[in-house]
Formats: sequence, structure tokens, C-alpha cells
Amino acid sequence: EAGVVQSPRYKIIEKKQPVAFWCNPISGHNTLYWYLQNLGQGPELLIRYENEEAVDDSQLPKDRFSAERLKGVDSTLKIQPAELGDSAVYLCARTGQGDQPQHFGDGTRLSIL
Amino acid sequence: AQTVTQSQPEMSVQEAETVTLSCTYDTSESDYYLFWYKQPPSRQMILVIRQEAYKQQNATENRFSVNFQKAAKSFSLKISDSQLGDAAMYFCAYRTYGSSNTGKLIFGQGTTLQVKP
Repeated sequence: EAGVVQSPRYKIIEKKQPVAFWCNPISGHNTLYWYLQNLGQGPELLIRYENEEAVDDSQLPKDRFSAERLKGVDSTLKIQPAELGDSAVYLCARTGQGDQPQHFGDGTRLSIL
Repeated sequence: AQTVTQSQPEMSVQEAETVTLSCTYDTSESDYYLFWYKQPPSRQMILVIRQEAYKQQNATENRFSVNFQKAAKSFSLKISDSQLGDAAMYFCAYRTYGSSNTGKLIFGQGTTLQVKP
């Protein structure tokens, strides 16, 4: 199966600046996920999309985080303004074909100065 | 709410030996999936093995096998004939069983496995 492409791979910004991450699930599966992975910990779901609709965003800090998935393919996750505690890896995933589990991208490592 | 616990932050094993990583979980559901994912330093999360809770038989994938104890809510991973390439962080994960496979994964804290040559 085709993978999940994320960019950028690394991002370094100063606090209070905006930042955006991009994800392309390649094979166009309907369900797309954004996870936050703090250093040395397991990923935690930020938001889940079914096509263009965000069906689970209960853990997305909506005061500074936003996401969109136009046309039900690519997705963008934005933080504005970034805080020091946002330093982490942001992972994108999609469901596999049939009954297969989720496939993950390489992630974007965000560092806030 | 479901939780997943991995009580071993770090483990080490000699190359060619066998190692077992522990995982326990808490749920009130009767049907669910359990997974082990591997995350090498390059960071891409890769599926190692999965288990459907309704299946009594333990899953096996080549050198990887699980010991699934549903009543005890335990799901350990055994790696036989460990190889240097097995060195990574391993995550145990839970997903609700439903009409589709689109539910979120709930991860444990991870276990870092070191393989010594």
C-alpha cells in the first residue's frame, strides 16, 4: 500500500509564531488522523476526519490549533500562536485498505525556541 | 475510558535471544483490537502484529508473537531470535471494534528495546 506523506520533516520556530503541517494520505482513504507525540511517550489523537468532516476533535486545543481537510484528501494542521509546550512530533495517519490498521507518516518534529 | 499501560520503559536483549514486552489495558468493552507498533529512530510507526479480542488464538508474525490474556487484560509481545534491527520503541495500542476500522488508537507509553550484539 502507498504511504502517508508529511511535510516538513522538521520545523523550528520562535514561540508565538504560527506554523502549519501538511499531510497527504496518497491513496485517498476516507479517514485521516492527526496525532501528537510528546518526547518519549505514545501518540495521542488530536483530530480524526471522515472525508472532509472532523468527527472527533475533542482533544484539539481549539484556542490555538486548527485543522482542515479540503476535498477529503490532503490535510493541514495549524498552530497559532505556538507555545513552548507545543514542541513535539505531529503524526498523520490513515486507515489501511479493508480491515487493515492505521498507516502512519514520518511525522513533523516541531521545536519551539 | 480505555487505557493502555506499558510498565517497562526500557528493555535490553542479547542478539539472537528472546525478549518479552508487557502491556496491560483497561476496558469495559468485549470486542476490540490490540496492536503492537514499532517506532525506530526514523520515527515512522510500523505495525508489528495485531490481535482481535474475539479470537482466542494468539497472533503470530514470523519472529513476533503475542500472549493475549483477555480476562487478565494483558497483551505481551514476544520477540524471538532478536536482531539488531529490532531495536526501537515499541508501543502497545488499543482500538474499539466497530462497524468500520476508523476508530482512534489509544497508545501506551512505549518500551525502548535495546539489542546488544
